[in-house]
Parts: sequence; structure tokens; C-alpha cells
Amino acid sequence: DQQVKQNSPSLSVQEGRISILNCDYTNSMFDYFLWYKKYPAEGPTFLISISSIKDKNEDGRFTVFLNKSAKHLSLHIVPSQPGDSAVYFCAARRSNDYKLSFGAGTTVTVRA
Amino acid sequence: SAVISQKPSRDICQRGTSLTIQCQVDSQVTMMFWYRQQPGQSLTLIATANQGSEATYESGFVIDKFPISRPNLTFSTLTVSNMSPEDSSIYLCSVVPRTGGRNEQFFGPGTRLTVL
Repeated sequence: DQQVKQNSPSLSVQEGRISILNCDYTNSMFDYFLWYKKYPAEGPTFLISISSIKDKNEDGRFTVFLNKSAKHLSLHIVPSQPGDSAVYFCAARRSNDYKLSFGAGTTVTVRA
Repeated sequence: SAVISQKPSRDICQRGTSLTIQCQVDSQVTMMFWYRQQPGQSLTLIATANQGSEATYESGFVIDKFPISRPNLTFSTLTVSNMSPEDSSIYLCSVVPRTGGRNEQFFGPGTRLTVL
């Protein structure tokens, strides 16, 4: 049972424009959400996170938005750069547990 | 941040054999996990490696197939036993450092396993 869903397997965006990645979850017990970036042949790299007590968290070019009532979060990358081309995973966990549930990932391609 | 290394980085194995994957961290960590990423799939948690005691396995994973050791706070091994082609995956070690906030959960580079 997939508790974290990324319904867009791929996204193509032009360099300099905004990339928006979406993620939905079904488990209402999740209260901490993370985004990871993964290049081929490497492990996932932590990007940004958000607690359920917030609706927005920003770090440089990356902003994560959380809509708890809709069980939906999104990652915005502005401006998109060629080095952002990678697979992005959404992950979620409960406050008393470090075990992560991952979405299927979205492959982002940034076109020059 | 924690620096995590895994050995081997990749291997090609024959059906029916076993492979032990090592995860070494450069600092003491509170928690260590093992994940699997099958081809074209997301990451799935196999088990929590508990220091000095038996690992805690997720549904669908058993100790006989994936024995795990964690003798200290910086090292763990995962063995994939009696391998079949369905075990072809990337196996990833993940750690939570002793210091830092809730967002600090790091992954190793992964071990790419191909079973023929």
C-alpha cells in the first residue's frame, strides 16, 4: 500500500523557469516530510523538509509547501538549473519514528 | 553531516549465493536503516539495524533472507541470502546522526546488486 504518492513520473522544464513537483500522502499520522534528490549511481541527498506545524519552508532556490488538509505537498525550484536534473523523492514519517516512506520519484530534466 | 561508505559499490552474483554489504559511518549515529530500491521503483525500508540486538524487520522482509548485524554505533552489515534475480536492487544504508535536527537523515551511496 503506497502511502506516499508522486503521480508525475517525469517533468521537463526550461532552464531559469520554475519546477513544481507534487506529492500526496494518505497516512494522517505522518507529520514530517522530506525531499531528496538522487543522481544515478549515488545515494539520495537530503534537500529540504517541513514539519506539519508549518505550511511553508524555504531554503535558497527550494521551497516546500504543505497543505495538511489536502494531504498534499509540493516542492518549488526557482530558478531551475541544469544541475537540478535528477530524480526527486518525496518522503514522510511520523514524529516518533525515523522510518521513511517514499514516493515513486519524479525525474526532472532541465533543458538549456 | 555524516559521511557514509558502502562496500561493495556494485556486484554481480550467481543465483543461490549470498552477499554481505557493509556500511561504515565516520561518526557515531543513533539509528541505522537498510533500504532497497528495485529497478524503476521507489525506496523501501527493509529493517532497522539495532546496535547490540536483533534488527527490526518491516513487513515482507525476514531475518533468514536479510540477516543484519550492527556491532557498534558506526558499522552495520546486510546480507542478502540465497539470492534470486528478484533480489537485483540497489541496497542503501541510511543513518540518523547523534547530533542535529530531525531533518538530518543521510544515505550512503548504495550497493548495486545484479543477480544472474
